[in-house]
Amino acid sequence: QVELVQSGAEVKKPGASVKVSCKASAFAFTYFSIHWVRQAPGQGLEWMGWINGGNGNTKYSEKFRGRVTVTRDTSATIVFMELSSLTSEDTAIYYCARDAVGAAKYFDLWGRGTLLTVSS
Amino acid sequence: QSALTQPASVSGSPGQSITISCTGTSSDVGGYDYVSWYQQHPGKAPKVLIYEVTIRPSGVSNRFSGSKSGNTASLTISGLQADDEADYYCCSYTSSSARVFGGGTKLTVL
Repeated sequence: QVELVQSGAEVKKPGASVKVSCKASAFAFTYFSIHWVRQAPGQGLEWMGWINGGNGNTKYSEKFRGRVTVTRDTSATIVFMELSSLTSEDTAIYYCARDAVGAAKYFDLWGRGTLLTVSS
Repeated sequence: QSALTQPASVSGSPGQSITISCTGTSSDVGGYDYVSWYQQHPGKAPKVLIYEVTIRPSGVSNRFSGSKSGNTASLTISGLQADDEADYYCCSYTSSSARVFGGGTKLTVL
């Protein structure tokens, strides 16, 4: 079944880093871009960045530049999002989402989300 | 990149129509026909309703429709149903090859 399978919930201390994974299942990973979107408790969706599954090019939101790194393992069809220097404000659900094929530029497939809690 | 502007909440009675606006700039909403809309029920991942301003993916009810004028895009839901009660987000491609979401609108079906 075509899906994005995300890693489990994480609890981190302030100042630490976290690496969340998103495995692409049953579709040709290298033909798509994968984005990361987060949602703080009771808040809206916030775009963080994306990676081109084929060539590995990345683009990040200015807000997270320098703190976020998105990478991929093409053989394992997994995309990783690493966020460093965590604070309590990074407590959120982190979603990976697939950019639709072609040039339409919308998210046609979402993971179920990974809850990150940052607490001392 | 600032978030697109949406009303925090809208409401309507079953059977009525509502419209949610999404205002950006010429660097995002106004500059490209790459506006999409998402519905999110509590505890669930978002689901696409509209892409490229007006196009409904297969399986999405024709009660949902999109439009755009200048820097403002809109989502209209006709024939409101109880299950439409959810949060709605617009999203636009930007001039820096990024994406930006709206702040979200909570729809209450009275």
